[in-house]
Amino acid sequence: GENVEQHPSTLSVQEGDSAVIKCTYSDSASNYFPWYKQELGKGPQLIIDIRSNVGEKKDQRIAVTLNKTAKHFSLHITETQPEDSAVYFCAASYMDTGRRALTFGSGTRLQVQP
Amino acid sequence: ETGVTQTPRHLVMGMTNKKSLKCEQHLGHNAMYWYKQSAKKPLELMFVYSLEERVENNSVPSRFSPECPNSSHLFLHLHTLQPEDSALYLCASSQVHELNQPQHFGDGTRLSIL
Repeated sequence: GENVEQHPSTLSVQEGDSAVIKCTYSDSASNYFPWYKQELGKGPQLIIDIRSNVGEKKDQRIAVTLNKTAKHFSLHITETQPEDSAVYFCAASYMDTGRRALTFGSGTRLQVQP
Repeated sequence: ETGVTQTPRHLVMGMTNKKSLKCEQHLGHNAMYWYKQSAKKPLELMFVYSLEERVENNSVPSRFSPECPNSSHLFLHLHTLQPEDSALYLCASSQVHELNQPQHFGDGTRLSIL
């Protein structure tokens, strides 16, 4: 089955700095990679996603890059703000004998220090 | 704001109780999901419904029983739970049950088993 590794598990940055979270996946057939932000007491919120036919996607201060050959993808947050503090999850699509699902990473707790 | 609403937000129950979790989505989606989120573990997919038909059951114990009466509502009936079932239970929906479709999550029900 699919295995998604996410690093680091915790990340602390100063306000205004950039933050990078990396994920690797094992199934070369995976073709959809969403990123979720989960604030305390809330459910995961989709913040950006990328499909395997593109290498990079950007939305204001957030960008995601995908390297299909190396089977890894990364989330980049520039000009971080305190409200970016949350737990971030990556995920990769997975299909096996009729099962279709997302496999999630174990999460990165990002803390932005004002 | 979320287009997926879960009730109750918190639930404490004994091991012999029977209770139900409710999820309602206002997005016009045709696929709904139950996930379990435990501390320090990746999100675990429990059940998938597509057009009110269960399409995936990921080896979930029978003490969890899902029900999808229509495409907007999803229930998780709980009976004779164990302490290890304490977790955040998240509901999600997507336009259709396809690998590249974004999933939108509710804020979850925090379940504690005494």
